[in-house]
Amino acid sequence: KAGVTQTPRYLIKTRGQQVTLSCSPISGHRSVSWYQQTPGQGLQFLFEYFSETQRNKGNFPGRFSGRQFSNSRSEMNVSTLELGDSALYLCASSLLSLAGGNEQFFGPGTRLTVL
Amino acid sequence: GESVGLHLPTLSVQEGDNSIINCAYSNSASDYFIWYKQESGKGPQFIIDIRSNMDKRQGQRVTVLLNKTVKHLSLQIAATQPGDSAVYFCAENLMEYGNKLVFGAGTILRVKS
Repeated sequence: KAGVTQTPRYLIKTRGQQVTLSCSPISGHRSVSWYQQTPGQGLQFLFEYFSETQRNKGNFPGRFSGRQFSNSRSEMNVSTLELGDSALYLCASSLLSLAGGNEQFFGPGTRLTVL
Repeated sequence: GESVGLHLPTLSVQEGDNSIINCAYSNSASDYFIWYKQESGKGPQFIIDIRSNMDKRQGQRVTVLLNKTVKHLSLQIAATQPGDSAVYFCAENLMEYGNKLVFGAGTILRVKS
């Protein structure tokens, strides 16, 4: 069974640009969560999607947005990039999401560098 | 506020010894806890989990202990191997809020051969 895949793996952008990252969950998984990982702040929750609906949102500005498609694939978008957005963006999927307490499987991440 | 770089604690152990990695969690209402291992260039990998109605759970070479009184979680790795070298994160979840995980800062485990 294929794991969580994320594309692209590496990305370089300049300040002010926008970026879209993609995540394909494990087949059959309907919940997709996104996390930002930086040396300064560690791993921080961005948002969770289940059945095409955003169910949870972390404390990030509105420049960070996401969506989920009917096949459970998810994208996240960051507009008006800032230097501080440089990070590893991780996607995690899980089978069930009526509530939490579910094993989440992480992808390898997309390394975003903002110049 | 000012952002301060995380200074991760490091645990160095000899190959074959047992390792204990500790974590203090933040929310007394959290009811699900997970340990993840992250190797360089990879995403976090699930190790073991525990729900708040338990205080101990064992897996293959790993044991998680939960002390809700002091909001403390520990991961014990038996017979530590070089392949165990990685950063280890604890994460907490309040299940009624879905799959949102709150991660600890992490601990670097270095295994000396």
